[in-house]
Amino acid sequence: KQEVTQIPAALSVPEGENLVLNCSFTDSAIYNLQWFRQDPGKGLTSLLLIQSSQREQTSGRLNASLDKSSGRSTLYIAASQPGDSATYLCAVAFGNEKLTFGTGTRLTIIP
Amino acid sequence: DAGVIQSPRHEVTEMGQEVTLRCKPISGHNSLFWYRQTMMRGLELLIYFNNNVPIDDSGMPEDRFSAKMPNASFSTLKIQPSEPRDSAVYFCASSFSYNYEQYFGPGTRLTVT
Repeated sequence: KQEVTQIPAALSVPEGENLVLNCSFTDSAIYNLQWFRQDPGKGLTSLLLIQSSQREQTSGRLNASLDKSSGRSTLYIAASQPGDSATYLCAVAFGNEKLTFGTGTRLTIIP
Repeated sequence: DAGVIQSPRHEVTEMGQEVTLRCKPISGHNSLFWYRQTMMRGLELLIYFNNNVPIDDSGMPEDRFSAKMPNASFSTLKIQPSEPRDSAVYFCASSFSYNYEQYFGPGTRLTVT
């Protein structure tokens, strides 16, 4: 069964620190991997999309990496801010357009 | 562009009633997805369309659920009859094409009493 796992489920970090969120998946034959953030009571906002042929993508203070052979992706957030507090979801397209989502990491940035 | 538009934003209904959720994808996007989010099961894909044609409905929980996409700018998800266990947030998402980013709507929070 193709699964996506995010550990830990919750993370608290002091403002200004750099941090890494983890995502692991069970099948290396993926088409792409997408990171989202979700604020309480809101929809999902796409942050970064990494194609199967890529190893990383960057957008502002965010950097996402992809290692298919080990079945892992990381989302690096530099110089964290209170506005970064949200739930971060990793989603993997295993062989087609269907996204399989992890259960997310709830991030709290402490001012 | 206004993004993916969903209506209603909140729906409260009684068990046994028919519920219809609506979605307008981003103009020019060819793929449309319906998801359900609950605390217990997280985000689950229910069905997706490509060029208005249903491609995979294996996530639809049972025959009480149906989805249509009569044209490129409109889709509906219908539950008939509704049950309390259908209570969840239902999201619609669209993407330009295969292997592109998916953009989510704000969701419809459904409560079935």
